[in-house]
Amino acid sequence: DGGITQSPKYLFRKEGQNVTLSCEQNLNHDAMYWYRQDPGQGLRLIYYSQIVNDFQKGDIAEGYSVSREKKESFPLTVTSAQKNPTAFYLCASSSDSLYSGNTIYFGEGSWLTVV
Amino acid sequence: AQSVTQPDIHITVSEGASLELRCNYSYGATPYLFWYVQSPGQGLQLLLKYFSGDTLVQGIKGFEAEFKRSQSSFNLRKPSVHWSDAAEYFCAVVGGGNKLTFGTGTQLKVEL
Repeated sequence: DGGITQSPKYLFRKEGQNVTLSCEQNLNHDAMYWYRQDPGQGLRLIYYSQIVNDFQKGDIAEGYSVSREKKESFPLTVTSAQKNPTAFYLCASSSDSLYSGNTIYFGEGSWLTVV
Repeated sequence: AQSVTQPDIHITVSEGASLELRCNYSYGATPYLFWYVQSPGQGLQLLLKYFSGDTLVQGIKGFEAEFKRSQSSFNLRKPSVHWSDAAEYFCAVVGGGNKLTFGTGTQLKVEL
């Protein structure tokens, strides 16, 4: 089935540790995105990538890092510098520019809890 | 910069009643607008989108939305709500840099 796969679904991290969330898509989409969701705050953009080997900071990039070495993969690392990492993380992708009327499709999300 | 306001944090309706969820946007150019729905702990599913053309847009699950440029609004409507519509609904606008900006969401509760 075509879609966006995020793993793991649930992840627990000790303070001071880095953790990487996986996002894989088989939709042949060029653009990929990471959003963070907190209750009452909607979705906020962390990083996005419109092409392989290129990515841009979103609105809340501090404490996060990404890579885009392959078209189908866009992993997100939550570093120890992220002061409040407990949240629901959503990966998304789109085929091309959103200005062309394309749609962003979302994965099922990953829950990260700092213990 | 673009922004989206969803003024209602929670809405409760009775099953079978009509529904309208409000969305106001701020963006200098022609907006491209979306409505998504999210069930608890899940990803987001696209309900409908406005790109151009007819300002009344039909979506999945019996939803529709009307784009009103003069009011900077893109309200979501459904004539008869089903219990399975209980979820969180997000309005979003495409802005500068090919990014999607979301509102804070409206939680819909359906009373049986």
